[in-house]
Amino acid sequence: DVVMTQSPLSLPVTLGQPASISCRSGQSLVSSDGNTYLTWFQQRPGQSPRRLIYKVSNRDSGVPDRFSGSGSGTDFTLTISRVEAEDVGVYYCMQGTHWPRTFGQGTKLEIK
Amino acid sequence: EVQLLESGGGLVQPGGSLRLSCAASGFTFSSYGMTWVRQAPGKGLEWVSGISSSGSNTYYTDSVQGRFIVSRDNSKNTLYLEMNSLRAEDTAVYYCAKGHFTVDYWGQGTLVTVSS
Repeated sequence: DVVMTQSPLSLPVTLGQPASISCRSGQSLVSSDGNTYLTWFQQRPGQSPRRLIYKVSNRDSGVPDRFSGSGSGTDFTLTISRVEAEDVGVYYCMQGTHWPRTFGQGTKLEIK
Repeated sequence: EVQLLESGGGLVQPGGSLRLSCAASGFTFSSYGMTWVRQAPGKGLEWVSGISSSGSNTYYTDSVQGRFIVSRDNSKNTLYLEMNSLRAEDTAVYYCAKGHFTVDYWGQGTLVTVSS
């Protein structure tokens, strides 16, 4: 199975400051169709996960533009340019290139 | 509006069985692969199973292979997860989600508790 390793696992951030989460995969996530199926999700307390970013850097409709995704191959990053109070929650990366699909451990973002 | 509504969760004894259902609406169900993901209490997300749009291809994580069966009825817009030989470590909220290269919509989840 492809191991997805997120860091940090805990991320205290001051309001208005940037935040960055790393996700590394044990194998390249470039698919045979040329796409890289790396997705970022946000899970707020008590809610179902919500997709933020798909195929590394494509932001979902309704997701604030302070969220961005980058990376390639095995190394990916979710960046929040200015953290707001509503961003509190756990963030997960997931690879959709290899079976079985796998998630990172999750990164808990809290306000300092 | 895409809606995914899971049902069928509950309390079951170790070694028992349950069948989860996920009723889908708001999109052409038969055109999309589907996914089951679970989350144990206080833990992270774990991918459990996937199924192709036609149902001809199914995939499982190692810990459920041989015990769980994913299926779908495209005429009823419904996804299923049959869970057998349940163990305490299968206790979790089970989510169905649309898609399987990426998942874009999630249900609200159904809680499965395996305990004597």
